[in-house]
Amino acid sequence: DGGITQSPKYLFRKEGQNVTLSCEQNLNHDAMYWYRQDPGQGLRLIYYSQIVNDFQKGDIAEGYSVSREKKESFPLTVTSAQKNPTAFYLCASSAPTGSVLYGYTFGSGTRLTVV
Amino acid sequence: QKEVEQDPGPLSVPEGAIVSLNCTYSNSAFQYFMWYRQYSRKGPELLMYTYSSGNKEDGRFTAQVDKSSKYISLFIRDSQPSDSATYLCAMSGGFQKLVFGTGTRLLVSP
Repeated sequence: DGGITQSPKYLFRKEGQNVTLSCEQNLNHDAMYWYRQDPGQGLRLIYYSQIVNDFQKGDIAEGYSVSREKKESFPLTVTSAQKNPTAFYLCASSAPTGSVLYGYTFGSGTRLTVV
Repeated sequence: QKEVEQDPGPLSVPEGAIVSLNCTYSNSAFQYFMWYRQYSRKGPELLMYTYSSGNKEDGRFTAQVDKSSKYISLFIRDSQPSDSATYLCAMSGGFQKLVFGTGTRLLVSP
């Protein structure tokens, strides 16, 4: 079955540590996105990538970094510079490139908690 | 003012009720309108998709777009406890990123 796989489902981080969230898709989608979801705030865009080796900052990119070395993979690193990283993180993809004609497909999310 | 406004709820209804969920928007360039359903601790899933104005029906669900009023709706007939979830509206002008509402939490009690 085609889809998006996010791992891990739950992640605990100590203050001052960097952590990387995995996102893999086998939908052959060109565009991929990372969102953060907090209660009452909806989805906030962190980074997005429309093609391999290229990505753009979203609305809340500070304290995060990404890479897009392969079409299938778009990992997100939450750095120690992110002051309030506890949240639910969602990865999504869309096709064709940049088009929303068919909507976004989302992964099942990673819940990150700072301990 | 946000580009897309959505009442966060929660909206509580008894089983069998007709549910109306709504979003308003400010960007007249939006032409693609979607509704996503998100169960707790899960990713959103695409529920309904509408292009431009008009209605679209799929089983118990009807999506309605009124571009003149910049207002979209999702109606759920004969609501079931399994419909309890957060419903997010999303929209775009086409080759741009989707803009999401904050989501409305729906609770359907047996």
